[in-house]
Amino acid sequence: QQQVKQSPQSLIVQKGGISIINCAYENTAFDYFPWYQQFPGKGPALLIAIRPDVSEKKEGRFTISFNKSAKQFSLHIMDSQPGDSATYFCAVINTDKLIFGTGTRLQVFP
Amino acid sequence: GAVVSQHPSRVICKSGTSVKIECRSLDFQATTMFWYRQFPKKSLMLMATSNEGSKATYEQGVEKDKFLINHASLTLSTLTVTSAHPEDSSFYICSAPGTAPYEQYFGPGTRLTVT
Repeated sequence: QQQVKQSPQSLIVQKGGISIINCAYENTAFDYFPWYQQFPGKGPALLIAIRPDVSEKKEGRFTISFNKSAKQFSLHIMDSQPGDSATYFCAVINTDKLIFGTGTRLQVFP
Repeated sequence: GAVVSQHPSRVICKSGTSVKIECRSLDFQATTMFWYRQFPKKSLMLMATSNEGSKATYEQGVEKDKFLINHASLTLSTLTVTSAHPEDSSFYICSAPGTAPYEQYFGPGTRLTVT
C-alpha cells in the first residue's frame, strides 16, 4: 500500500533557483519525516529530518516545511546548484522502519 | 559519519546460481540491519530486517527461502539470492541505524544482473 506520495516525479531548475518537492502521507503514527538524497549508483544519504511537533526546520540551503493537519511535508532547496542534481526521497519512520516516497529526480542546469 | 560498506559492488551471475552480498558496518556495531531492493528509477523497497543472532524479519511478499539473510556478527549481515533468475536483477542496498531515530546509514549498493 502506498503510504507516502511524492511529487513531482522529475524537476528541472535553473542554477540559483528554488527546488520544491512535496510529500503527503496517510497514516498519522509516524515519528519522523526525513529526506534522503541519492546519486546514481550510490546508496541514499540523510539530508535533513523533522519531527511532527515542528513546523519548519532549516539546515543551510535545505528547509523542510511540515503541515501536520494536511499530512504534508515539503523540501525546499534554496539557491539550487548543479551539484544538487540527484534523486530525492521523502520518507516516514514507522517504529524503526523507513518507508520511502516514490522519489523526485532533480536536475539543476547552469 | 558512520560507514557501511557492501561487497561486491557489481555482480553478474547465470540463472540458477546463488549470489551472496555482504553488508558491513565499518566503524560501529549494528544489531539490526535492513535490506532494500531498488529497481531502476524507482524507490527503495524494504525487503527484510536483519537481526544479529536471530532470524530475519521479512516484509510481506518477500520470499524468505529465496532471499536468505544471515546476521552472524555485530558488523556483518549477508543476503544470499538463491537460484537467481533474471527477474531478481536489481540494485540491493543495506543500511544500519544511526544514533538518531530517523537516521540510517546506507551502503553504496550492489548491482545484481542475472543472465
